[in-house]
Amino acid sequence: GAVVSQHPSRVICKSGTSVKIECRSLDFQATTMFWYRQFPKQSLMLMATSNEGSKATYEQGVEKDKFLINHASLTLSTLTVTSAHPEDSSFYICSAAPSGKYNEQFFGPGTRLTVL
Amino acid sequence: AQSVTQLDSHVSVSEGTPVLLRCNYSSSYSPSLFWYVQHPNKGLQLLLKYTSAATLVKGINGFEAEFKKSETSFHLTKPSAHMSDAAEYFCVVSPVGYGQNFVFGPGTRLSVLP
Repeated sequence: GAVVSQHPSRVICKSGTSVKIECRSLDFQATTMFWYRQFPKQSLMLMATSNEGSKATYEQGVEKDKFLINHASLTLSTLTVTSAHPEDSSFYICSAAPSGKYNEQFFGPGTRLTVL
Repeated sequence: AQSVTQLDSHVSVSEGTPVLLRCNYSSSYSPSLFWYVQHPNKGLQLLLKYTSAATLVKGINGFEAEFKKSETSFHLTKPSAHMSDAAEYFCVVSPVGYGQNFVFGPGTRLSVLP
């Protein structure tokens, strides 16, 4: 149980295009989902917290117009990188917190984004 | 505010010898503490977690960690390293409470030599 999937696992795009990454909780409902970014050989940095049915909360320094987050259902959150540039190339990881549970996050396998 | 320090960016051990990965935390609240492992280009796997129950926590693959409040530490240990343990390890702190954010340490890369 408690499986989180991400799609796609890897994406390569041209500079200026937009890319959508999906995060799904497969066997539980998640009121809250989180999006992290990880640069090579670095730790995970929280980008934003996504709550179902409401606007996401972005961490300081993260452009909300650049990284659009939608959490339309209890099992799906999407991150759209708009007008991607090479500096957006990174490993994006989502996690989902089961509804009604304390201090639990289950992580997806990550999405490797490369912007040419 | 919460923060995590992992004192060693890289630890190298020989196969069959003990592993010690150090973690110190700072938290304004009673914390939950976690250790995650990440193999190259993979997602995170939970090794173990402490949530104010027993201070010695046993996890998967023979790992365990001890919560020491007086030292604000949560070091990860394993009696005998295996080649498959080579990976990146992250210590994470989260204040007790629903939906609180995780704060990740910088990570420790474990190398296991044959």
